[in-house]
Amino acid sequence: EDQVTQSPEALRLQEGESSSLNCSYTVSGLRGLFWYRQDPGKGPEFLFTLYSAGEEKEKERLKATLTKKESFLHITAPKPEDSATYLCVLRGNEKLTFGTGTRLTIIP
Amino acid sequence: ETGVTQTPRHLVMGMTNKKSLKCEQHLGHNAMYWYKQSAKKPLELMFVYSLEERVENNSVPSRFSPECPNSSHLFLHLHTLQPEDSALYLCASSQGSGVDTDTQYFGPGTRLTVL
Repeated sequence: EDQVTQSPEALRLQEGESSSLNCSYTVSGLRGLFWYRQDPGKGPEFLFTLYSAGEEKEKERLKATLTKKESFLHITAPKPEDSATYLCVLRGNEKLTFGTGTRLTIIP
Repeated sequence: ETGVTQTPRHLVMGMTNKKSLKCEQHLGHNAMYWYKQSAKKPLELMFVYSLEERVENNSVPSRFSPECPNSSHLFLHLHTLQPEDSALYLCASSQGSGVDTDTQYFGPGTRLTVL
């Protein structure tokens, strides 16, 4: 059975303090791994899709990487507006599997 | 309007009411989805429509009834709900084919409270 585990559950950083969010997974045939950002009371906003180990994608202060067992979302010099819940979603051969998210808070 | 829109944004209903949630996508996509999001739980996929045909129904109670009249519109009809059905209901859409098939774009959600 495909599984996704995100850690930590919550993370508080000072503004400018870089860190990484983790998404560990097991899957029978990886077809894609997605990262989304979700603000409170809103729908998830698409950030990245990664398809194979070694792939990296960047957008502003965010960089997503992928290995055969996990994906990292690196955030460099974060700002308060980066505060949100970040969701990892796995696409295996059969279905999509959603993680429970990491709630990120950036303190000014 | 751009992207995926949902109405209403907030809904409070009694257990005996009948109401409907509406979703509209302006992205030219062929697939649409309903999800339920409860606190501290992963998103739960409820229904999938591809080219207006329901292709997935994840054991959702019959008090939830979806309708997809065309590829741009999706409804979720609600009837005799329970308090545990209170949640954020999200609509999403995606392209029907190609490598980006599963890149889903979400609407803002409807916050449903059942009294």
